[in-house]
Amino acid sequence: EVQLVQSGPEVKKPGESLKISCKGSGFSFTNNWIAWVRQMPGKGLEWMGIINPGDSDTRYSPSFQGQVSISADRSISTAYLQWSSLKASDTAFYYCARREKYAYDYWGQGTLVTVSS
Amino acid sequence: QTVVTQEPSFSVSPGGTVTLTCGLSSGSVSTSYYPSWYQQTPGQAPRTLIYTTNTRSSGVPDRFSGSILGNKAALTITGAQADDESDYYCVLYMGRGISVFGGGTKLTVL
Repeated sequence: EVQLVQSGPEVKKPGESLKISCKGSGFSFTNNWIAWVRQMPGKGLEWMGIINPGDSDTRYSPSFQGQVSISADRSISTAYLQWSSLKASDTAFYYCARREKYAYDYWGQGTLVTVSS
Repeated sequence: QTVVTQEPSFSVSPGGTVTLTCGLSSGSVSTSYYPSWYQQTPGQAPRTLIYTTNTRSSGVPDRFSGSILGNKAALTITGAQADDESDYYCVLYMGRGISVFGGGTKLTVL
């Protein structure tokens, strides 16, 4: 069974760093790109970026380029989304999703990141 | 930056048919954008409904169908049911690995 399991909720202060994770199982992790999607409170889904765990080729939405960093460790089938300095506006749910045939067929359960002083 | 457009809201009567659309701020949507559709209910992760324009994801009822209508991608729900009341998002593939979500449509069944 294909699964993407994300790390738990985080509460951080502005300026702190954070790395959240997405662990894949039930499929060959290096054969599928993994994307990250943001959903701010009460808002829509936003595509942030995507990584090929096989070679770490990474693409970013222009809106998120330079704001976050996406990485992966294929040895443990895990993708990551990282911030070096969080802002209150980073408060959101973050989902990882597996790309297959240019669509996103399996989704993680979501990680709530709350940034508040 | 390209904007993917969707109707902000739509309503349909139980048993009725509704078509939601997914367009571009500039240009036409074609199959080359590999449009896909997702359903999201509050507090849940999105669920994949349709990919590559018109292929239903596993387990999706056949009352959901995808197509290209004119210059937009379309999701049609035939025989709407109460539990179809959700937010619906389209995604277009822009090339070079980049995808873009539409703003979403809030569908009310009443």
